[in-house]
Amino acid sequence: AQSVTQLDSHVSVSEGTPVLLRCNYSSSYSPSLFWYVQHPNKGLQLLLKYTSAATLVKGINGFEAEFKKSETSFHLTKPSAHMSDAAEYFCVVNSGTYKYIFGTGTRLKVLA
Amino acid sequence: EADIYQTPRYLVIGTGKKITLECSQTMGHDKMYWYQQDPGMELHLIHYSYGVNSTEKGDLSSESTVSRIRTEHFPLTLESARPSHTSQYLCASSEGDRHHPAFFGPGTRLTVL
Repeated sequence: AQSVTQLDSHVSVSEGTPVLLRCNYSSSYSPSLFWYVQHPNKGLQLLLKYTSAATLVKGINGFEAEFKKSETSFHLTKPSAHMSDAAEYFCVVNSGTYKYIFGTGTRLKVLA
Repeated sequence: EADIYQTPRYLVIGTGKKITLECSQTMGHDKMYWYQQDPGMELHLIHYSYGVNSTEKGDLSSESTVSRIRTEHFPLTLESARPSHTSQYLCASSEGDRHHPAFFGPGTRLTVL
């Protein structure tokens, strides 16, 4: 069985400070992991993906994530938050079936 | 430009109406999906398709039906809409295996009065 747990439903940061959105996964097989962002009234946009190559993955808009097998984690980070980063973020796992399993989402708020 | 399209973007209808939500992709992907998302909530898979003439129900029970007669087209139909169907519906597609991400359309926000 596979599942995803996003540890924070809401995260607030000040503009210019680092962002950390936490994700833990459970998978019977070597997983592929993804982070998506969803702005209000928009579809989902792929930020980055991990597919068993480098454990540190760089994505768009300055985001990156590190795959840690020993901790079953795939946390999303960004060194400096921008107002435009305010959105909902979803961690997603796919362990080899048709299913992309979504976490419950983390709403990021960026304070001026 | 390769993309995935959904129409309409917004739909407000009365109870009992039959509706079809359209989804088309120009990326040549075999796999397509329908997800349902309530405001501020996670996505739940309601239908998926491996290819033409292949459709399966997802994890979340849904009264909707889908068809896949052409690779690029994956419409979702509600025979008789009810207020409980009010939600956002997201269509997605992906390439062959789990290493590839799913690409999402902009969504259809459905309101049933």
